[in-house]
Order: sequence, then C-alpha cells, then structure tokens
Amino acid sequence: DVKVTQSSRYLVKRTGEKVFLECVQDMDHENMFWYRQDPGLGLRLIYFSYDVKMKEKGDIPEGYSVSREKKERFSLILESASTNQTSMYLCASSSYRDEQYFGPGTRLTVT
Amino acid sequence: SQQGEEDPQALSIQEGENATMNCSYKTSINNLQWYRQNSGRGLVHLILIRSNEREKHSGRLRVTLDTSKKSSSLLITASRAADTASYFCALEWDKIIFGKGTRLHILP
Repeated sequence: DVKVTQSSRYLVKRTGEKVFLECVQDMDHENMFWYRQDPGLGLRLIYFSYDVKMKEKGDIPEGYSVSREKKERFSLILESASTNQTSMYLCASSSYRDEQYFGPGTRLTVT
Repeated sequence: SQQGEEDPQALSIQEGENATMNCSYKTSINNLQWYRQNSGRGLVHLILIRSNEREKHSGRLRVTLDTSKKSSSLLITASRAADTASYFCALEWDKIIFGKGTRLHILP
C-alpha cells in the first residue's frame, strides 16, 4: 500500500516562528504536492514538484517555500508564521497524471 | 480561471437511496478525479476518468464525464451510513485543482 506520512498531526506555533512541515512517500512517486484546506474554501494548492530539486508555485504560494532534496521527501516551510496560516495542511504524491495519495494532514495553529 | 464547481454544496438522503453530485469546469482537462473525505480522515481517491472516457464504474460508484458540457457526475447507489463524507472533484491539466466539495449526509 502507498503510504504518505506527515511529520506531525497537530502543531502549535507562535507568530513569526519558522515552521517546517515534512512529508515522506514510499512509492517512488515523481509528483508531490502541498495543499491547505480551510472550511468553505476546499483544498488550495500551495506548491508542487514533479521531480527532485524542482518546484512549481500553486495557487497560493505567498508566505510559503518548499524543498525537495530527495525524491521521497517534500518539505513545506513557513518562513515567518502568521495567524492567517492557521489551517489543515495536506501532502500528496502521485505518479504522472495519476491519482493522488494523501497523508493524514497536519493541523497547524499559529498563535 | 479553471475551477471545479460541485453541486449541490450539501445533500441529505435516506439510507438506501441514490446520491448524485455534479462537477462543472471551464476549460479543457486531461482527467477528472473524485475523492472522498470522511470526518477526521484524509482524502481517499475514488475514481479517475480520462478526457476520452465517458463513464466508469467502481462498485456502487458510477462516474460520467461530458466534455462537451464540461461536467461530470458522481452517482452513489444504495447509499450507506458510511458514505457520509465530503466529496471533491479534482481537475487535472497542467496542474490539479480541487473543487470546494459536496457534503453528503446519509440519514438512518
């Protein structure tokens, strides 16, 4: 079975802190994605990557950066956390143009 | 801009009835996918239908795609309590965009 794991289920950070969210997949997928999910807004794509060291901006990249140094790992970085980044963060992976497999999510609260 | 629009936003039906939800979009796609999210759980892929396909089945699920109308429907037959969830369509072309979802509630 495909497994996508995220480093934390729940995270509480203070405004201005640097936050790292990590995602690891074990199926040798080329593609990895970071989304945030907010009530009434659905899933919004933050960044995605189609290969190692490659990244593309999604619909809402402002305030975020990503890193993909290894194929199986895709990290989301909040350089200076703000309260409007309080959200559920979901990581996913897929093979080329195929179904996405999602991790369990990280619920981040920024106070 | 491209976006999947699900309809209805919320749906309540009796257990055993069929549930239909729709997804409309604006521009050409490579494929359209449906996902389910149960309360407190992650998203799970249900069906992927490619742009050259018109209908796909998986168990009690039936998905249709009409590229001329730029719309898709997800039919769940003989609904069960466990089908209570949010359902999302996702459009794939040079990236992937999710809709805001339909909340389905199955009444006992």
